Amino acid sequence: KAGVTQTPRYLIKTRGQQVTLSCSPISGHRSVSWYQQTPGQGLQFLFEYFSETQRNKGNFPGRFSGRQFSNSRSEMNVSTLELGDSALYLCASSLGLALSTDTQYFGPGTRLTVL
Amino acid sequence: AQKVTQAQTEISVVEKEDVTLDCVYETRDTTYYLFWYKQPPSGELVFLIRRNSFDEQNEISGRYSWNFQKSTSSFNFTITASQVVDSAVYFCALSEAGTNAGKSTFGDGTTLTVKP
Repeated sequence: KAGVTQTPRYLIKTRGQQVTLSCSPISGHRSVSWYQQTPGQGLQFLFEYFSETQRNKGNFPGRFSGRQFSNSRSEMNVSTLELGDSALYLCASSLGLALSTDTQYFGPGTRLTVL
Repeated sequence: AQKVTQAQTEISVVEKEDVTLDCVYETRDTTYYLFWYKQPPSGELVFLIRRNSFDEQNEISGRYSWNFQKSTSSFNFTITASQVVDSAVYFCALSEAGTNAGKSTFGDGTTLTVKP
């Protein structure tokens, strides 16, 4: 079974631009969660999508948004980029069915650098 | 609010030594899930283990073992006879049950260096 894939793997943008990151979950998984990892703040939860609906949201400004398509693929968008948005963005997929055996599996991440 | 504390920022051991990574968590939920992930330099978080709050049984998988103690809110991870390939950042994570399970709270991670 293929794992979680994220594209692109690396991205360089300048302040003020916007960026879109993509995540394809494991086949059969309907939940996609996004996390931001920085040296200063560690791993922080951004949001989770399940069946094309945002189900959970972290404490990030409205510049961070996402969506999920009917095939469970998800995109994350960051508008008006700031230097502090430089981070590794990780996507995790799971069944999302609230089962006690459910587990999040992570992709390789997209490393975003904002200049 | 949930919180995960990994007090050990960095640990350095020599190959074949045993090493224990500590994890202490806080939650008001009665049902919750605990995880350990390994993050090698490549960046991808590799799932190691999941433990449900209602299952305090310890687990051993090869050189890895986990000690879950609800009374002390701890979920410690031990690597026996460490190897250079074990060098990585290890994260402990906590999530709620139900529809909030997709929102995990992570500790700050422990960087383990195993020297030959």
